[in-house]
Amino acid sequence: AQSVTQLGSHVSVSEGALVLLRCNYSSSVPPYLFWYVQYPNQGLQLLLKYTSAATLVKGINGFEAEFKKSETSFHLTKPSAHMSDAAEYFCAVTGTGNQFYFGTGTSLTVIP
Amino acid sequence: ETGVTQSPTHLIKTRGQQVTLRCSSQSGHNTVSWYQQALGQGPQFIFQYYREEENGRGNFPPRFSGLQFPNYSSELNVNALELDDSALYLCASSLDGRTANSPLHFGNGTRLTVT
Repeated sequence: AQSVTQLGSHVSVSEGALVLLRCNYSSSVPPYLFWYVQYPNQGLQLLLKYTSAATLVKGINGFEAEFKKSETSFHLTKPSAHMSDAAEYFCAVTGTGNQFYFGTGTSLTVIP
Repeated sequence: ETGVTQSPTHLIKTRGQQVTLRCSSQSGHNTVSWYQQALGQGPQFIFQYYREEENGRGNFPPRFSGLQFPNYSSELNVNALELDDSALYLCASSLDGRTANSPLHFGNGTRLTVT
């Protein structure tokens, strides 16, 4: 079985500051991990994915995430926050099945 | 490249009624998955269709049913609507539902309100 836990349902950062959104996973098999972003009244958009190649994954809009097996983590980072980054962010895991397991999301607020 | 489109965007129904939601998959994708997203929650897997066959189901009752058509578009049907069915229903297509690392590409969802 797979699951993810996103620590911090709300994160606020100043414009230009580092963004760090936390995700820890549980999986009985080698996991595939994803980060999605959701803007108000829209569906989810893929930011990046980890599929057992490089442990540091670069995505769109300057985001990246590092897979750390020893810590069962896949935290999302961005060096400098922009106002347009304000949104809801979801971490998701899959394993052997075809079902994506999503976390409860982290709402990112960017303060000008 | 055409993305995933869903219709309608909003819907209001009364408890006990039935509803049909529609989804057109992204060009080249043969797999469609449906998710329910309650307010303030992450999406929950309802079921997946691969080449017109159900290919996995989440923890939802049988009154949630679906179809996939030869052009890979899909419908989600919900019978005997309950108040708790109020949610955003998301359709997602993927290149190949047989592979666990095939990313989901989402539509903008249908907001269902049950009164």
